[in-house]
Amino acid sequence: AQSVTQLDSQVPVFEEAPVELRCNYSSSVSVYLFWYVQYPNQGLQLLLKYLSGSTLVKGINGFEAEFNKSQTSFHLRKPSVHISDTAEYFCAVRPNQAGTALIFGKGTTLSVSS
Amino acid sequence: DTGVSQDPRHKITKRGQNVTFRCDPISEHNRLYWYRQTLGQGPEFLTYFQNEAQLEKSRLLSDRFSAERPKGSFSTLEIQRTEQGDSAMYLCASSPSPGPKTYGYTFGSGTRLTVV
Repeated sequence: AQSVTQLDSQVPVFEEAPVELRCNYSSSVSVYLFWYVQYPNQGLQLLLKYLSGSTLVKGINGFEAEFNKSQTSFHLRKPSVHISDTAEYFCAVRPNQAGTALIFGKGTTLSVSS
Repeated sequence: DTGVSQDPRHKITKRGQNVTFRCDPISEHNRLYWYRQTLGQGPEFLTYFQNEAQLEKSRLLSDRFSAERPKGSFSTLEIQRTEQGDSAMYLCASSPSPGPKTYGYTFGSGTRLTVV
């Protein structure tokens, strides 16, 4: 079975500071990895995904994430955050096999203040 | 393409009543998923369809829950005899068949259910 652990439930940062949201996963098979963002009262929007190839993936809104197979991690980073980045961020995995359900972590609330 | 649409956005119901939610996926997507999200948690998988066939159901989907996708287009999720524990955001997502550029779902804005 697969599982996702988001190590920080809340991350407060000041505007223009760098941020890292941590995600670890466990799986007995290879996986695809995703980060989603959810703004209040909205659905989830895909930020970026890792399927294969380069372990550093770039997404929308200046976010990037690095896949580390040995540490089974997929941490999300942004070098300089904006107030508008305040939202809930979810890491998700999908096993590379038949059956397609995304498995989500519990989320990290990013709060950006001025 | 207007994305994934869910209706209603909000539903308040009394305990014991039945409720039905609707999801309209992106038209060319043949896969449709239902998730439930409670406060402070990530979305939890409920069930998924490929075209009209329901291919997978989570253990979370008790016998009070039923989902259909009769013509392989829109889907409905019905909860019978609602309980307070059913209060949650119900999210629908769709995707095309998996391929190199098509992983990742498109989510709707959800239906927030409150059982009083």
